[in-house]
This record gives sequence, structure tokens and C-alpha cells, in this order.
Amino acid sequence: QVQLVQSGAEVKQPGASVKVSCKASGYTFTNYYMHWVRQAPGQGLEWMGIINPSGGGSSYTQKFEGRVTMTRDTSTNTVYLQLSSLRFEDTAVYYCARDFVFGGGYRWPAYWGQGTLVTVSS
Amino acid sequence: DIVLTQTPLSLSVTPGQPASISCKSSQSLLHSDGKTYLYWYLQKPGQPPQLLIYEASNRFSGVPDRFSGSGSRTDFTLKISRVEAEDVGVYYCMQSLQLPRFTFGPGTKVDI
Repeated sequence: QVQLVQSGAEVKQPGASVKVSCKASGYTFTNYYMHWVRQAPGQGLEWMGIINPSGGGSSYTQKFEGRVTMTRDTSTNTVYLQLSSLRFEDTAVYYCARDFVFGGGYRWPAYWGQGTLVTVSS
Repeated sequence: DIVLTQTPLSLSVTPGQPASISCKSSQSLLHSDGKTYLYWYLQKPGQPPQLLIYEASNRFSGVPDRFSGSGSRTDFTLKISRVEAEDVGVYYCMQSLQLPRFTFGPGTKVDI
């Protein structure tokens, strides 16, 4: 079955960077796009961007352009989210979520990781 | 960007009774390919979201048949025929009409 296991909680200072990992198993890693979605404490869901694990190409929502980088390692079936120049308002749970569409496209996140809490605090 | 509005934002339900949540879109979610790109997720307390309904009216694998989705273009509804205690949480609608711009509704908190 599809499993997405994310790295543990992080505490970072403002201005620092954080890198969250998401290790996939139970399916062919390069056949499905991966989304990143975040949720601030007590708030709703915010889509951040998407990566194609096959070619490594990514798209980010405009809000995060310039601060976010999504990468992947096909040797370990892991995708990464790096967010730089952290601000207090970046405190949130960050989720990876595998898309449903097989091979070459994407449309909706179907399977979610357990989430990684990133706390930005001085 | 497409804006999704959900009503109500909070809903108190009685087990065994029906419940309904509305999601309205600022523009039609009917794609030229004939599909409607509207989805429903449930986030139970302390858990990641889980997919309930895809493309407006299709139940995802393993989702109980008490959940149903309906609607078209800009107006959509999630219905629970008989609420169970395990259905508490926050329900979100999401659209993916214009890739790669995905947006979620604000969420509807359901409790008993």
C-alpha cells in the first residue's frame, strides 16, 4: 500500500532554512507527482507546489516563489521541501501528498504523509 | 485564482441524522474535457486529510457509501446520509481546474 513517511519536527530561527523529507513506498516512485501542502496552527490547508519525481521538474504557487525548492532523490524514493528565509508565519504542519494520476500528469492529492511540524521561533 | 466558499463553517450533528455541507466556486469547475475538478477531504483531529470524493461525485476507494457528493459548475454539496461519531473533523473542498493552481475552501468543522 502507498506509504509516505515524513521527517520529524523542526524548530528554526527566523531567517533560517528548513528541509523536510518525505519517503515513499508501496508504489513506483517516478510514476506519480508529489504535492506539498501546509497548515498553520488552527488554520486551513494551503497548497504550496508540486514536483515530478521522474524528471525533477516542479511548480510552486506564487506566494512561495523564491523561497521554496522541491527536489527528489530517486535512489531513496524521497522528495524534499526546502523553505528558506523562514518567518514566524511559516510555523505550520507541512504535508507531502501523492497525486492520484498515473504517469505524466497530476490533478489531485490522494495519499498523504503524516505531516511535519515546523516551528519558527526566536 | 478560484475562490471556494463553504457553508456552514461549523456544524453540530446528531449521530444517525443526515448532514450536508455546501461548497461554492467563484467560477465554473467544469473543464473542457467534461470532468468537474472538485474534491472533498476530511481531516480528523490530529490526522492528515483523507480523500472522500473526487471529481465532484465519485467516492474514493474505501469511503463508506453514507458519503456522497453532488453538484455542478459552481455549486457543490457533500452529504452524509447518517452521521457516525467517527465522521467528526474538518471537511474541505478543493479545486484543481487551472493547473498548477490548487485552492482549498476554508473548511467546515463538524462535531457531535
